[in-house]
Formats: sequence, C-alpha cells, structure tokens
Amino acid sequence: IVLTQSPGTLSLSPGERATLSCRASQSVSSSFLAWYQQKPGQAPRLLIYGASSRATGVPDRFSGSGSGTDFTLTISRLEPEDFAVYYCQQFVSSPALSFGGGTKVEIK
Amino acid sequence: EVQLVESGGGLVKPGGSLRLSCTASGFTFSSYSMNWVRQAPGKGLEWVSFISSSNTYIYHADSVRGRFSISRDNAKNSLYLQMHSLRADDTAIYYCARDTPPTGAPRYFDLWGRGTLVTVSS
Repeated sequence: IVLTQSPGTLSLSPGERATLSCRASQSVSSSFLAWYQQKPGQAPRLLIYGASSRATGVPDRFSGSGSGTDFTLTISRLEPEDFAVYYCQQFVSSPALSFGGGTKVEIK
Repeated sequence: EVQLVESGGGLVKPGGSLRLSCTASGFTFSSYSMNWVRQAPGKGLEWVSFISSSNTYIYHADSVRGRFSISRDNAKNSLYLQMHSLRADDTAIYYCARDTPPTGAPRYFDLWGRGTLVTVSS
C-alpha cells in the first residue's frame, strides 16, 4: 500500500491551523493508521494511532481523522515546537507496512 | 528512564558487514516486539525488520531479506541487526523502535531510540 502525503511542504505562521493529508492507494482500516512527528536531528515520535487516538502526552491541539483512503492530521493552532516533518504510516498490510513520504511544516 | 540506545554504526565498504545493537531500559523488554526502521539522509522512513517478544515471528523488508538478520537477547535487554552484503543504498540512520501489543506482526511504534548512522562507501 502506497501512502501519498500532501502537501510536501506547508508554510504557516505560529497560531495558524495546519491540515496535513495522507492518501492510501487502497483502503486502510482506521485502526491501522498512525502519525509521527520528527524534528531535525531527532527520532520520530508517535502522535496519533488508530487514525484519531492521541498517544500519551500529545497535546490536544493535534487531532487525526479519516477513513478508507483519506486521512488527515490537523494541528489547530501551531506552536513554535510544532514545526517539523510529519509522517503517516499504515500496517494493514503488515508485515509489509509503509510510511508516507512526509509533510514538512515550516515557519512562514 | 524508558529508553532505547542504539550502537554499532559506522563506515563500512560495499559488500561488508556490520552488527547493530539496541539496549533497552526502563521497561520490560521481554514483553515487547521490536523493530528496526531506517532513514536515508534527507529521506523518509523505511521499516526494515521485526521480531516478536519471544522470537516466534521474524519479518524483514524485501529490500534487506537474505542480507539482514534481526535477533534479540531478552536476558540482556538487547536487540540486534546483523547486516551483510551492504550496499550504498543501505546508508541510513538505523532506529530501533518498540512495537505496540498485541504483536505477531509490526504495527506502530511508541518508543524510538536516537538512531545510529551506517555509511556504506568505498
């Protein structure tokens, strides 16, 4: 299953809303979709699992939604620490799981 | 502190071998399945290998099958990746990552190490 993330880069200002898209080449049960955040020089961090459940310690400004082939990660109001790269990941085809190519959220 | 610490990366010539290690602390390592995930410089994430908590299930990505081997020693809280026949396109940061139960196959990863860099170059 190929995951396509868009846009490749999102240029926004702190306080703005960010909407990131992840589209799958075939249907993915929402239980099998996760999102990660990666800051420069750091390991990825699990943000969302089951398409909409926040991982431990993740602020509630992060939310996930979607089903089938279209999933969305929304950051309601960008904080300075939210500027990073975000990846979606599916494991419905496990063990052949896959990651999307990433969306970079940069400061405008 | 709950953490994973990788080691063993470095510069290796094409065709060479390398063994990566990952040491876990702060949680019951033997209860969790584990993975290796890599990231080529400036690129995205690629899942590499999975091993279940008691070694029952092992899976490798097509890109490394037959060349890489994952293993673990629960008594030492350690995960390993033995890499043979290394190629330039294996150059990447290699992360060990904890899987989320129940796991007879890789799912999603709730704890990651900081990674170790493997560079394959002559």
